[in-house]
Amino acid sequence: AQSVTQLDSQVPVFEEAPVELRCNYSSSVSVYLFWYVQYPNQGLQLLLKYLSGSTLVKGINGFEAEFNKSQTSFHLRKPSVHISDTAEYFCAVRVNSGGYQKVTFGIGTKLQVIP
Amino acid sequence: DTEVTQTPKHLVMGMTNKKSLKCEQHMGHRAMYWYKQKAKKPPELMFVYSYEKLSINESVPSRFSPECPNSSLLNLHLHALQPEDSALYLCASSRTPSPPRWEGNQPQHFGDGTRLSIL
Repeated sequence: AQSVTQLDSQVPVFEEAPVELRCNYSSSVSVYLFWYVQYPNQGLQLLLKYLSGSTLVKGINGFEAEFNKSQTSFHLRKPSVHISDTAEYFCAVRVNSGGYQKVTFGIGTKLQVIP
Repeated sequence: DTEVTQTPKHLVMGMTNKKSLKCEQHMGHRAMYWYKQKAKKPPELMFVYSYEKLSINESVPSRFSPECPNSSLLNLHLHALQPEDSALYLCASSRTPSPPRWEGNQPQHFGDGTRLSIL
């Protein structure tokens, strides 16, 4: 079975400052890793994904994440946040099973950007 | 704009009512999912359909009844719900990650959800 740990439930950061949202995972099989963002009263939007290849992946809205297999981490970073980045961020791990995907989400990190 | 469309966006119902949530996608995805999300919690998987057949039921109470009438539509029929069933219900779809068309690299696409309130 796979699991995801998001170490911070809330992260306050000033506008234009850098931010890192932490995510660690565990799995006994190969996984795909994702970060999703959820704005208030909306569904989940994919920020970025790691499937294979380069360990540094770039996503939308200036976000990037680095896959570290030895530390089983997939931390999300942005060098300069904007007010509009205020949202809930979910790290997720996925395994493929037959004809569908089994996704496990972390508990989420609320990013609060302070003007 | 999301490629997965959920209706209605909001639903208020009494515990004796019968209602249905609808989900539609036209991306040719053959796997579709229902999730339940309580406030300040991550989505929890309820059901998975693969090629219009139920593949996973995560021990969901029978007052929730899923249906996949065709490859583009996914319904969730609701009957005799409890106040604790109030939540955001999310639908998602994905390409099927299995041979012969190995599309396991594709992510799930989520709708904006239906916010359900049980009185």
